[in-house]
Amino acid sequence: DAKTTQPNSMESNEEEPVHLPCNHSTISGTDYIHWYRQLPSQGPEYVIHGLTSNVNNRMASLAIAEDRKSSTLILHRATLRDAAVYYCILRDEDFGNEKLTFGTGTRLTIIP
Amino acid sequence: DAGVTQSPTHLIKTRGQQVTLRCSPKSGHDTVSWYQQALGQGPQFIFQYYEEEERQRGNFPDRFSGHQFPNYSSELNVNALLLGDSALYLCATSWTGGNLYEQYFGPGTRLTVT
Repeated sequence: DAKTTQPNSMESNEEEPVHLPCNHSTISGTDYIHWYRQLPSQGPEYVIHGLTSNVNNRMASLAIAEDRKSSTLILHRATLRDAAVYYCILRDEDFGNEKLTFGTGTRLTIIP
Repeated sequence: DAGVTQSPTHLIKTRGQQVTLRCSPKSGHDTVSWYQQALGQGPQFIFQYYEEEERQRGNFPDRFSGHQFPNYSSELNVNALLLGDSALYLCATSWTGGNLYEQYFGPGTRLTVT
């Protein structure tokens, strides 16, 4: 499985944008970039995913580098509820391959 | 609409014992995956069930086995428990006929082996 590299931790002020980086230099052409987050005492939850183009949804935006070797998850206006561990995951979208390979993620702390 | 549910919430077992954990999928979901999350680590994929058969398996020994029932619920069984099996066990479900990009996780079962 292709590997991702994320900072261990980050801090951000409440109500400010947050940019969470992820490096994936060995990404293959069929790997999608997924982001999940895990709030304290909960299971992970899906945030966003993309292949080549930038993506937006109600939770966040995903900016993907042109060479696809890195990506950035953007939370436009952080709230205290966004404090969580954020995981960047590469996944080959073959049918039947639903395995998610988690790293250690980035622990995001929001400062009130 | 109930999400993914898991039981029990917490469990304490002794080394050498056997344990069964249960997962009920989100309504409409037919695929169940199990993950093990050690303290301070990301979840690690154990295996996945679809149509009552194991479809994918991670790097876990045969002591870890599972089952999926006709109603799509699933069980994870661990035999001959070791201290290192202490972890949070997560169940994730999805619908094969839909988008494969999103899996829904349950809150997990915290297993402590003493």
